[in-house]
Amino acid sequence: SQQGEEDPQALSIQEGENATMNCSYKTSINNLQWYRQNSGRGLVHLILIRSNEREKHSGRLRVTLDTSKKSSSLLITASRAADTASYFCATLNNAGNMLTFGGGTRLMVKP
Amino acid sequence: NAGVTQTPKFQVLKTGQSMTLQCAQDMNHEYMSWYRQDPGMGLRLIHYSVGAGITDQGEVPNGYNVSRSTTEDFPLRLLSAAPSQTSVYFCASTTRQGRAGELFFGEGSRLTVL
Repeated sequence: SQQGEEDPQALSIQEGENATMNCSYKTSINNLQWYRQNSGRGLVHLILIRSNEREKHSGRLRVTLDTSKKSSSLLITASRAADTASYFCATLNNAGNMLTFGGGTRLMVKP
Repeated sequence: NAGVTQTPKFQVLKTGQSMTLQCAQDMNHEYMSWYRQDPGMGLRLIHYSVGAGITDQGEVPNGYNVSRSTTEDFPLRLLSAAPSQTSVYFCASTTRQGRAGELFFGEGSRLTVL
């Protein structure tokens, strides 16, 4: 079974709105990462949050981590049509040798 | 820098045939891995390597072999292809420093087994 599960599976918003995606996981982690995948392409790393961090920002991205609830959220502010992609959370185990991905959220931003 | 390069990009096999998916990186990364991506399943780890001469199994290793004779290359072998191995395969690498490195992905190899 997958370590991470994303919610919602699909999200459609208008340009300029904010998009929030959630990720839940099952076991303790070293860090949690978010990736983006454009259709037919490889994944691109967006942001990493360590297990002892609670919030992190990078440009229009804001990530939170709640280790007590084993959950994370990714917020994309002021979305653009170019943000249309699939977004995946991934958790690194404590041994640091396995990064496990969730099923992803498909985001569509309408112009 | 080319980053992570995968070949071939597309391949069609018949059941029982064998083939090797190639992966090369030019970033001197110690860690390399192979994932498969199926619709609705996200990415699942097949095999990984923490350095030349060292490989280990991921979540779904059955039907696949790997080797790591050099830092740069990490080929994935399908010894007897099955329709269940129809998928998109991604190779990824990262530095092991701090155990927290982001993964750099190749563009994927789309495999169809008939």
